[in-house]
Amino acid sequence: DAGVTQSPTHLIKTRGQHVTLRCSPISGHKSVSWYQQVLGQGPQFIFQYYEKEERGRGNFPDRFSARQFPNYSSELNVNALLLGDSALYLCASRPSPGGGANVLTFGAGSRLTVL
Amino acid sequence: GENVEQHPSTLSVQEGDSAVIKCTYSDSASNYFPWYKQELGKGPQLIIDIRSNVGEKKDQRIAVTLNKTAKHFSLHITETQPEDSAVYFCAASDNTNAGKSTFGDGTTLTVKP
Repeated sequence: DAGVTQSPTHLIKTRGQHVTLRCSPISGHKSVSWYQQVLGQGPQFIFQYYEKEERGRGNFPDRFSARQFPNYSSELNVNALLLGDSALYLCASRPSPGGGANVLTFGAGSRLTVL
Repeated sequence: GENVEQHPSTLSVQEGDSAVIKCTYSDSASNYFPWYKQELGKGPQLIIDIRSNVGEKKDQRIAVTLNKTAKHFSLHITETQPEDSAVYFCAASDNTNAGKSTFGDGTTLTVKP
């Protein structure tokens, strides 16, 4: 079975541009979370979605937005890119937001470089 | 909000020795504490987790201990092997919402052959 898949794997943008990152969760998983991992730091929570609804948002500006589709895949959008947005963006899925056995499974991430 | 601190930031051990990584958290509402291993070019992979109703959990060479009173938890790796070399992250969350975990800043473990 395929794990969490993310695309693109690498991309380079310039300041002020817009970027869209995509995530396909594990089959059967309905909850998707997005994390930003700056080099040398731990992942930082951005969004959680379940059944197409936002179920949580981290401390990120409104330039960051996301959505989840009926097939449970998800997109993360970042507008007006800044140099500080350069990071590895991780998507993680789990069957549902709650429950003791619902551990997070991460994808390999999308490496964004902003020049 | 939750704050997780992780120490040390780097750890070098000889093959066969033990490695210990420690984390502290601030939010007493947190009750789920996973540990992840991240290898170069990959996303974090869950290696072990512990919930607040348990003080210790073992899985072969890996163990995690939790002290809820002191708000700290630790990862213990025994009989380390070169393939254990990676970055390890601790995290904390509400058990019902692990999708919104707070992570430590990681420990780079190097196991020398």
